[in-house]
Amino acid sequence: QVQLQESGPGLVKPSETLSLTCTVSGGSISNYYWSWIRQPPGKGLEWIAYIYYSGSTYYNPSLKSRVTISVDTSKNQFSLKLSSVTAADTAVYYCASGYSGYDYDYWGRGTLVTVSS
Amino acid sequence: QTVVTQEPSLTVSPGGTVTLTCASSTGAVTSSFYPNWFQQKPGQAPRALIYSTGNKHSWTPARFSGSLLGGKAALTLSDVQPEDEAEYYCLLYYGGAQVFGGGTKLTVL
Repeated sequence: QVQLQESGPGLVKPSETLSLTCTVSGGSISNYYWSWIRQPPGKGLEWIAYIYYSGSTYYNPSLKSRVTISVDTSKNQFSLKLSSVTAADTAVYYCASGYSGYDYDYWGRGTLVTVSS
Repeated sequence: QTVVTQEPSLTVSPGGTVTLTCASSTGAVTSSFYPNWFQQKPGQAPRALIYSTGNKHSWTPARFSGSLLGGKAALTLSDVQPEDEAEYYCLLYYGGAQVFGGGTKLTVL
């Protein structure tokens, strides 16, 4: 069974860049769509971006100017970079997979990123 | 800004049936929005239940079903169990973008 694991700093300073990596195990990163989704404490889910294994990307229009998503098929990983962070970017960040681009199946357990000086 | 609206909270008795809905600010929800439904329990990651309106994952209990109802996407839970108490989120696709609903807190009481 596919498993996803987020990794990265749990604390980022305001105005800096948040960087997270999702490692895929138990399956290949090929032929799937890979997403980042976040959830501020006590609030709902927000889709950030997704990428096809070939490199095609789709971004949330409200975050597009600050977000970069990339994939490294050799390492079975995909990554998120969110620049110029503020306290509003404090959230649990999840990585997730989907086969068709219109579905989700597997999710990581999530990682809390706090933006604070 | 596209908004996806769900009931903030619903309560159902064990063994009962409840329908959660998901509306789009752009108009009627159709199969072209590929509605997805997720269940999230406190402290856990969301779990996918339904994709493309009514398709279940292999792990989705049979008592969960998805449909289109009155211009909205709908998730119906039949024979509700205590373990179904959770937050439920819908997701709609708008071309290349995706928007989650605000979630419905389902209480089993």
